[in-house]
Amino acid sequence: QVQLVQSGAEVKKPGASVKVSCTASGYTFSSCYMYWVRQAPGQGLEWMGMVDPSGGSTIYAQKFQGRVTMTSDTSASTVYMELSSLRSDDTAVYYCARDPREPFGGRRFDYWGQGTPVSVSS
Amino acid sequence: DIQLTQSPMSLSASVGDRVTITCRANETSSMYLNWYQQKSGRAPRLLIYVASSLQSGVPSRFSGSGSGTDFSLTISSLKPEDFATYYCQQTYSTPFTFGGGTKVEI
Repeated sequence: QVQLVQSGAEVKKPGASVKVSCTASGYTFSSCYMYWVRQAPGQGLEWMGMVDPSGGSTIYAQKFQGRVTMTSDTSASTVYMELSSLRSDDTAVYYCARDPREPFGGRRFDYWGQGTPVSVSS
Repeated sequence: DIQLTQSPMSLSASVGDRVTITCRANETSSMYLNWYQQKSGRAPRLLIYVASSLQSGVPSRFSGSGSGTDFSLTISSLKPEDFATYYCQQTYSTPFTFGGGTKVEI
């Protein structure tokens, strides 16, 4: 069965960087896009960007351009999201989510990781 | 960026009620509109994609409709496990924005 397993909780100081991993199993890793979505405490969902594991191409939300890097390691079936210059308002749960990349279903996020809490505090 | 506005922000309903949540986009999303359910402390779960297609494993009491800028999610007969927050999302153009969410309280 499809599983996305994320790395554990992180506590960081302002100005630091965080790197969150998401390891996939149960499907052909390179055949699906992977997205990152975050959710601040008590708030809604915010799309951060995507990576295509088959070639490494990325699209980032303008808000995060210059601060976020999404990469993939096909040998480990793992994608990574690194966010730099952390601020207190980056405190959130960060999720990875898979897009089955089917021809007639549009883009959709059918499987999600369990979430990685990131806390930014001095 | 396409902005999505959900209404209502919250609602209180009883088991067995028919519930409808709406999602309005400030520009066309064509048919590329998804709905997710999120329970407290859990990752979101895909319910509906491309406006009206039911995701595998999702009960048939959930349905979606709409196109262009106006969409809706309907729960035909509310069950206790449907207490959750529901989000719409457009995937017509990046960034793939989400609505602000609708909290359904039983």
